Amino acid sequence: GAVVSQHPSRVICKSGTSVKIECRSLDFQATTMFWYRQFPKQSLMLMATSNEGSKATYEQGVEKDKFLINHASLTLSTLTVTSAHPEDSSFYICSAEMGARGTEAFFGQGTRLTVV
Amino acid sequence: AQTVTQSQPEMSVQEAETVTLSCTYDTSESNYYLFWYKQPPSRQMILVIRQEAYKQQNATENRFSVNFQKAAKSFSLKISDSQLGDTAMYFCAFIRYSGGGADGLTFGKGTHLIIQP
Repeated sequence: GAVVSQHPSRVICKSGTSVKIECRSLDFQATTMFWYRQFPKQSLMLMATSNEGSKATYEQGVEKDKFLINHASLTLSTLTVTSAHPEDSSFYICSAEMGARGTEAFFGQGTRLTVV
Repeated sequence: AQTVTQSQPEMSVQEAETVTLSCTYDTSESNYYLFWYKQPPSRQMILVIRQEAYKQQNATENRFSVNFQKAAKSFSLKISDSQLGDTAMYFCAFIRYSGGGADGLTFGKGTHLIIQP
């Protein structure tokens, strides 16, 4: 199957700093990528839809100024958590679809963000 | 908006037994897809099985099969001959068919399945 690589897998940052998470589709082009957040022992919640060459679409309740998404190419989307706070600590996962709508979504390995 | 409900937070069975995980969903869409994803301790999401809503035949993948009841909006996963490696979180997920823009997946809260030796 297709491979989606997410980096870094773990990051610790200080409160008030920004951290960037990368999501790459290694062997296919992804017009659209998705960013999810997963709290401990909870489900994945869609944060935003990342569209190549255009602005991301954010879900209700997600601060677009805090979670900056850039999709500069067909193989790379980045999520930047700005002015991080301890409550931003979570597991962030990206995914990309290959092929027609409703076919398999391929997930990155996830990034565990800890803000201290 | 659609919702996905998994009513079993945790289940435990003996190795080699058969186990069924429940999932119900609510949507006004007529065309959509349903999925079961597995999330082992590594946290990597792995697709287990996929069902197109327009197909009446239940999907099967080796030891994994679903019971898709469209009218009842039910989508349960049956794991036969369970193995220790099946221990993981299992998420039921929904995505609507969209001829236009893409949508993300809507996930249930998950079921923690434990296979006992």
